[in-house]
Amino acid sequence: SAVISQKPSRDICQRGTSLTIQCQVDSQVTMMFWYRQQPGQSLTLIATANQGSEATYESGFVIDKFPISRPNLTFSTLTVSNMSPEDSSIYLCSVERLGTEAFFGQGTRLTVV
Amino acid sequence: AQTVTQSQPEMSVQEAETVTLSCTYDTSENNYYLFWYKQPPSRQMILVIRQEAYKQQNATENRFSVNFQKAAKSFSLKISDSQLGDTAMYFCAFMNLNDYKLSFGAGTTVTVRA
Repeated sequence: SAVISQKPSRDICQRGTSLTIQCQVDSQVTMMFWYRQQPGQSLTLIATANQGSEATYESGFVIDKFPISRPNLTFSTLTVSNMSPEDSSIYLCSVERLGTEAFFGQGTRLTVV
Repeated sequence: AQTVTQSQPEMSVQEAETVTLSCTYDTSENNYYLFWYKQPPSRQMILVIRQEAYKQQNATENRFSVNFQKAAKSFSLKISDSQLGDTAMYFCAFMNLNDYKLSFGAGTTVTVRA
């Protein structure tokens, strides 16, 4: 398995500000992903965090709004920029290991007021 | 792109009884993985069971088992001897083995009654 530490676990932010979420894995992994889960809904993939290069974003998500860093094989950050109440969601970091399954962090519950 | 459909928004089951959650998916891929994840109120995503598409045998993990029908693109989850701790949201998910991205269904809320 993989142990994933995601910080912060929750935050309440003012609109117009930015929040950076951190994801730390206990060992090196190839694939890291960021998902969003809007209230009462399923998970939607935001982007694939690529080590040493720009993240690969899914349709509907852009780098200016959700900049992602991945400086090494165990760490990634997701920033939610210029927040509005519509950004209130749970954000989850996920890693894939050995081509068998995905492991998830405990999620960050973001509320924008 | 893959789509995953869970047609049951909510299911309720008496403790010790059995409940079956349905999931269908659409893909042109031949090799892939399917998962059921559980998300309790703590919001931690917990893997319940995994099925490799190339395996004909249905996966089983203790009280959890699946009915995988590849031709029909169906992947249902059976929870036997339901326990109060099984109360959670359950998501069916498809993993594309080309890029390891997950596509999730809308989820089914399972409530186990005492």
